[in-house]
Amino acid sequence: GAVVSQHPSWVICKSGTSVKIECRSLDFQATTMFWYRQFPKQSLMLMATSNEGSKATYEQGVEKDKFLINHASLTLSTLTVTSAHPEDSSFYICSASSRTSGYNEQFFGPGTRLTVL
Amino acid sequence: DAKTTQPTSMDCAEGRAANLPCNHSTISGNEYVYWYRQIHSQGPQYIIHGLKNNETNEMASLIITEDRKSSTLILPHATLRDTAVYYCIVSRSSGSARQLTFGSGTQLTVLP
Repeated sequence: GAVVSQHPSWVICKSGTSVKIECRSLDFQATTMFWYRQFPKQSLMLMATSNEGSKATYEQGVEKDKFLINHASLTLSTLTVTSAHPEDSSFYICSASSRTSGYNEQFFGPGTRLTVL
Repeated sequence: DAKTTQPTSMDCAEGRAANLPCNHSTISGNEYVYWYRQIHSQGPQYIIHGLKNNETNEMASLIITEDRKSSTLILPHATLRDTAVYYCIVSRSSGSARQLTFGSGTQLTVLP
């Protein structure tokens, strides 16, 4: 089956620093990747949609200058949280979809837990 | 995409069938019903999807009513590892991937 990995699985950083999270599709080409954020005891909230080779589309209320998304290849998308603050502490999850799939089946990564001190 | 309504929580005895309901009364003709689950502190896992016919795979069965306004996910023999939040999502299929809108889901607890 399709596998999506994320790295790192968890990260702790100081306030004001930047953190990069990688999302990789290991055995298929992901034409579209999605980035979600999940706060404790809440559901997943979509942050942005990323298509390979083009700029990401951000959801309303998500600062594109703070959450930088790069989807430079069909197997890799990165999310960089710039100047992180404690309120950015959350569980970040990516998902990937392949154009070859006729359905809206998405494959999710294991998530990255970010803690900003 | 149509909105879905699920019970907040359910319990099920280990070894018994778990039946998780979902209402999607505003579903339109080109929208599919998807089920995902999320085990604590992990990414969501795809379970099954369907349009109007009942579907079965190695994980579960999906029963969709004839009017398509509701569906039921069935885990035939629940195990402790099936304890998770189960999300019912309605989304239309298209040539490109579309976002999935996650609701609150149902917290299924399988009891020993």
